[in-house]
Amino acid sequence: GENVEQHPSTLSVQEGDSAVIKCTYSDSASNYFPWYKQELGKRPQLIIDIRSNVGEKKDQRIAVTLNKTAKHFSLHITETQPEDSAVYFCAAMNSGGYQKVTFGTGTKLQVIP
Amino acid sequence: NAGVTQTPKFRVLKTGQSMTLLCAQDMNHEYMYWYRQDPGMGLRLIHYSVGEGTTAKGEVPDGYNVSRLKKQNFLLGLESAAPSQTSVYFCASSSTLSYNEQFFGPGTRLTVL
Repeated sequence: GENVEQHPSTLSVQEGDSAVIKCTYSDSASNYFPWYKQELGKRPQLIIDIRSNVGEKKDQRIAVTLNKTAKHFSLHITETQPEDSAVYFCAAMNSGGYQKVTFGTGTKLQVIP
Repeated sequence: NAGVTQTPKFRVLKTGQSMTLLCAQDMNHEYMYWYRQDPGMGLRLIHYSVGEGTTAKGEVPDGYNVSRLKKQNFLLGLESAAPSQTSVYFCASSSTLSYNEQFFGPGTRLTVL
């Protein structure tokens, strides 16, 4: 089955700096890669996603890049703000047949004011 | 719309007791999922359902059973609770087989003594 590895497990940055979270996946059939943000005590919520036919996607201060050859994808947050502090999960999915989503183990991001 | 709701929000069980967690969604989604979230382990899929009357095993199904008698409801049962089942349980739903956001419920914090 799919295996998703996520690094780092914790990340501290100064407000205004950039943060990068990296994930690798094992199943070359995976073709959809969402990122979820989970604030303390809350439910995970989708913040951005990318499909395998696209190399990069951007939405304001967040962007995701995908390297299918190397089987890795990354989340980039620029101009970080204290409200970006949360746990971020990457995930990988093969949309063919059953839609099975495999999540990474999460990155706890702390933005220091 | 309420989205995805879960009951109860908190529960404490003694080893060997049984209980049922209820997930309800009002978005007419076909797919529903049960995950457990443990520190450092991310979100792990317990069971899922692709439609009313159908269920299937996920990554960590042992000790749990599920039922989907109605499209809007997905029940997770623990027949004989064990301390290893202490966790936060999230239900999620999505609308199609491919490329779709998973909407999560608020979670149930379960402690097994």
